[in-house]
Amino acid sequence: DAGVIQSPRHEVTEMGQEVTLRCKPISGHNSLFWYRQTMMRGLELLIYFNNNVPIDDSGMPEDRFSAKMPNASFSTLKIQPSEPRDSAVYFCASSAAAEAFFGQGTRLTVV
Amino acid sequence: GENVEQHPSTLSVQEGDSAVIKCTYSDSASNYFPWYKQELGKGPQLIIDIRSNVGEKKDQRIAVTLNKTAKHFSLHITETQPEDSAVYFCAAKDTGRRALTFGSGTRLQVQP
Repeated sequence: DAGVIQSPRHEVTEMGQEVTLRCKPISGHNSLFWYRQTMMRGLELLIYFNNNVPIDDSGMPEDRFSAKMPNASFSTLKIQPSEPRDSAVYFCASSAAAEAFFGQGTRLTVV
Repeated sequence: GENVEQHPSTLSVQEGDSAVIKCTYSDSASNYFPWYKQELGKGPQLIIDIRSNVGEKKDQRIAVTLNKTAKHFSLHITETQPEDSAVYFCAAKDTGRRALTFGSGTRLQVQP
């Protein structure tokens, strides 16, 4: 398996624009997580899905953030409108049991 | 919710020396404790984990210990090598919650 695949790897956008980050989990994994990594806050959970259903979205910063998982092999994290403080590395991870496996991340820069 | 504290934030050792990173957690229901290594520009990679029914686990030069009473767990790296240089994260979770709570990370630098 190719592991968790995220796209794009890098995204630079202007403030106010919509940004969509994509994730393909490992085949057979039934849980998917979105994390955000910054120097100030470290790795923080934004939302996670179990069997394509959002279970805990308490980490989503505000209504500008939304996440979907239309099927077992695809998830998106959308920011609309984006702001400079959203600049971070966003990671997707998936798991079938206790172990979680991370993608390479998307580095988002909002200017 | 769970809170995981990690120390130190930075650690510099000479090649061949041992490195120890320590974490504490707050939720007594937590029963799974993984460690991740993150190299520059990459995602965190699982390197070792331990469950609450085990006190110690080893994998070659890496070992993890768990003290459930004190809510402490530690990562031990022996005979460090320059390629061990990276940021290491501890994490914790319980069976009722699928998601991991991470520590703040330790930047390990192994001097050749």
